[in-house]
Amino acid sequence: GENVEQHPSTLSVQEGDSAVIKCTYSDSASNYFPWYKQELGKRPQLIIDIRSNVGEKKDQRIAVTLNKTAKHFSLHITETQPEDSAVYFCANTGTASKLTFGTGTRLQVTL
Amino acid sequence: EAGVAQSPRYKIIEKRQSVAFWCNPISGHATLYWYQQILGQGPKLLIQFQNNGVVDDSQLPKDRFSAERLKGVDSTLKIQPAKLEDSAVYLCASSWTGTNEQYFGPGTRLTVT
Repeated sequence: GENVEQHPSTLSVQEGDSAVIKCTYSDSASNYFPWYKQELGKRPQLIIDIRSNVGEKKDQRIAVTLNKTAKHFSLHITETQPEDSAVYFCANTGTASKLTFGTGTRLQVTL
Repeated sequence: EAGVAQSPRYKIIEKRQSVAFWCNPISGHATLYWYQQILGQGPKLLIQFQNNGVVDDSQLPKDRFSAERLKGVDSTLKIQPAKLEDSAVYLCASSWTGTNEQYFGPGTRLTVT
């Protein structure tokens, strides 16, 4: 919860390359860390999430890692495809049990 | 499973006018959220309901925004009077009680002129 910083704000990769987006948070009580993908004009869609008792989670080409000591978590997309182009938001819940979103990363996958 | 429904999808009003948005959550989801997403930013929580009770409205501008969920299912969000800075997409989301996973509706894009 509270403050969530997300970097980079824009990311351009070639098709087939990997993309990494990082977020840092301030609330040490944060316990849930989802990632949302939002295509232009569409709703945010939950693509993967991780809880504070797990360090890494993978789902096909997408993985999320969590470092509780450093208070940061990252989204990794491997073998990127043009349809991965979108805005990605990290978020977390802390003591307030409400989602606080990052500022978003615009990912562009070029051919 | 049907998703979260919202209407209208688009709304254009003049400043100082009023507007209302409607949301129907996923069936069985007791928790409902309203978010404001300004262009280029992440969604910001306005209000959270658990059934028909308010859990968190700390970021709701209560002088002009109001929301209700009288029967614990559908919800309406109202703005009166609207300001230029209210131009945004208003997203509704819902979740099962006790879970964190939130599912979003398509949103209502509001333009205040």
